[in-house]
Amino acid sequence: TQLLEQSPQFLSIQEGENLTVYCNSSSVFSSLQWYRQEPGEGPVLLVTVVTGGEVKKLKRLTFQFGDARKDSSLHITAAQPGDTGLYLCAGVRGNKLVFGAGTILRVKS
Amino acid sequence: DTEVTQTPKHLVMGMTNKKSLKCEQHMGHRAMYWYKQKAKKPPELMFVYSYEKLSINESVPSRFSPECPNSSLLNLHLHALQPEDSALYLCASSQATYYEQYFGPGTRLTVT
Repeated sequence: TQLLEQSPQFLSIQEGENLTVYCNSSSVFSSLQWYRQEPGEGPVLLVTVVTGGEVKKLKRLTFQFGDARKDSSLHITAAQPGDTGLYLCAGVRGNKLVFGAGTILRVKS
Repeated sequence: DTEVTQTPKHLVMGMTNKKSLKCEQHMGHRAMYWYKQKAKKPPELMFVYSYEKLSINESVPSRFSPECPNSSLLNLHLHALQPEDSALYLCASSQATYYEQYFGPGTRLTVT
């Protein structure tokens, strides 16, 4: 059983559509990170959410951290082909970074 | 500056070769990591170094040998690898082991 359940696994949408990716756990995390990774490149840190109920915005991306700090979501408004990639949520557990399984997003023009 | 650099970008090696992957960061981070990643999957942790000492080895086969010469450098020595070891190898660093991690661009390794 994954400590962080991420959904959906795959998402293929048209340019201009909105989407939401979910990251859920039965455990409390002190913080959660969201990364975006393009093929053949390393994951790039998008945001860290720390406080329960926190909302952070990065241009068309909105990140939320659940009140109980067990879940998080990433919402993209008006998706563009440049948003295509693998989106990963991750949280620190002990000395390790625990990853969700990832969401492969494809935005078609 | 949040840059982690890795060399080489690509590596092709035979099963009898010995090669090394290199990673460098100048952010003053005291924790460094090696991950292995297969296509469309999340990174899998291999090793964690904290203050230049190996703190976690995720039961990685001995054909992978990490080394941390100083607080800015991390190496991964490879010997007698198998074709199934072909993957993207990622290095990451963080201020400490419970802080957010910053990843390098990776080394694409192909074992023939």
